[in-house]
Amino acid sequence: KQEVTQIPAALSVPEGENLVLNCSFTDSAIYNLQWFRQDPGKGLTSLLLIQSSQREQTSGRLNASLDKSSGRSTLYIAASQPGDSATYLCAVRSDDRGSTLGRLYFGRGTQLTVWP
Amino acid sequence: DGGITQSPKYLFRKEGQNVTLSCEQNLNHDAMYWYRQDPGQGLRLIYYSQIVNDFQKGDIAEGYSVSREKKESFPLTVTSAQKNPTAFYLCASSTGLGRYEQFFGPGTRLTVL
Repeated sequence: KQEVTQIPAALSVPEGENLVLNCSFTDSAIYNLQWFRQDPGKGLTSLLLIQSSQREQTSGRLNASLDKSSGRSTLYIAASQPGDSATYLCAVRSDDRGSTLGRLYFGRGTQLTVWP
Repeated sequence: DGGITQSPKYLFRKEGQNVTLSCEQNLNHDAMYWYRQDPGQGLRLIYYSQIVNDFQKGDIAEGYSVSREKKESFPLTVTSAQKNPTAFYLCASSTGLGRYEQFFGPGTRLTVL
């Protein structure tokens, strides 16, 4: 069974810092990997999607990388702002050969606080 | 506006009652999912459906039931057999055509009194 781990569980940084969130997974047979953001009491917002054949994706100040063979992904946030404070979740979609759609396996998230 | 709607936002239930959580999407997605989120536990998959009239159990299906009669709708019933139903419930759907990106609704918070 796929297991997804996120380190650190919590992170507190001053505004302006560049930071890296880590995600690791045990089974490299993945279809894609998705990073989400969740604000307290809200649903998840998709940030970046990396297909298994890709190495990285960028959106604004966010950059996500994928090393499928080593089972790792990182989310890089440049010039952090207080508005970035949220929980960030990593999820991998299994590559269910013969099935049209695999399921997602989630990490427990990294709770980020950016203080002014 | 395209998206996923869940209703109600807050739901209170007495012990022994069944309740149904609504999830509707107008994104034309084939696959839909129900997750439960508890503090410190992360997201756990309850049920998912890849096409109309078909669904599969996830990791914690006991005490829950679903139906998928329409592509747009995937309601979740929390039955009295669910021992600890107080949680935050999230509905999601996925694109197809090779991309398979998942999107989430705003969630329903269920509290058992």
